[in-house]
Amino acid sequence: AQKITQTQPGMFVQEKEAVTLDCTYDTSDPSYGLFWYKQPSSGEMIFLIYQGSYDQQNATEGRYSLNFQKARKSANLVISASQLGDSAMYFCAMRELGLGGGNKLTFGTGTQLKVEL
Amino acid sequence: GAVVSQHPSWVICKSGTSVKIECRSLDFQATTMFWYRQFPKQSLMLMATSNEGSKATYEQGVEKDKFLINHASLTLSTLTVTSAHPEDSSFYICSAPIRVQGYGYTFGSGTRLTVV
Repeated sequence: AQKITQTQPGMFVQEKEAVTLDCTYDTSDPSYGLFWYKQPSSGEMIFLIYQGSYDQQNATEGRYSLNFQKARKSANLVISASQLGDSAMYFCAMRELGLGGGNKLTFGTGTQLKVEL
Repeated sequence: GAVVSQHPSWVICKSGTSVKIECRSLDFQATTMFWYRQFPKQSLMLMATSNEGSKATYEQGVEKDKFLINHASLTLSTLTVTSAHPEDSSFYICSAPIRVQGYGYTFGSGTRLTVV
């Protein structure tokens, strides 16, 4: 079973609009962390936002916020006021902190976001 | 802070030759380094985990003899693709855990390998 599922291979959004990128996850570990990364065409991985499984509030970082719905096992990324520079591939990733999880990240398949004028 | 420098950024090699990719932690000690492989428009797939001073742990399906990983010091981890073939052409990226961003990770800038 996929541990991280991103169902949107590609998304379009108009400049200055908000966009939500979906991510669902599957784990039986009560202690885990969820990450979102941006990967522009250059290939570098840019950290956007982190949500711990025990965090009471949804994470926010500037224009990025994470809509964390623990019962639904979803961790959607919301980008507000989209900019042309937001066009990139976006990956959701999870780290399971319990037994067997180690310290490694498992990535979703990614969503290619294109911001249009 | 917490920068991993990865070299080379891109490399073209002939089939049958070996290529070494280096990841250096510049301002911290990386006891662990993760090595990923990424095909175009696809996800990052973990190949192996290297720990300083011990043997690397490879993910299922990854050929240990083909992808040699060495982590001889706290600041350097290397991936050597031996006897490279065109199907080894890919984007390789390293990552180290760091104590920021929710105990997150820092990534190298990646190496684009093309085998001709």
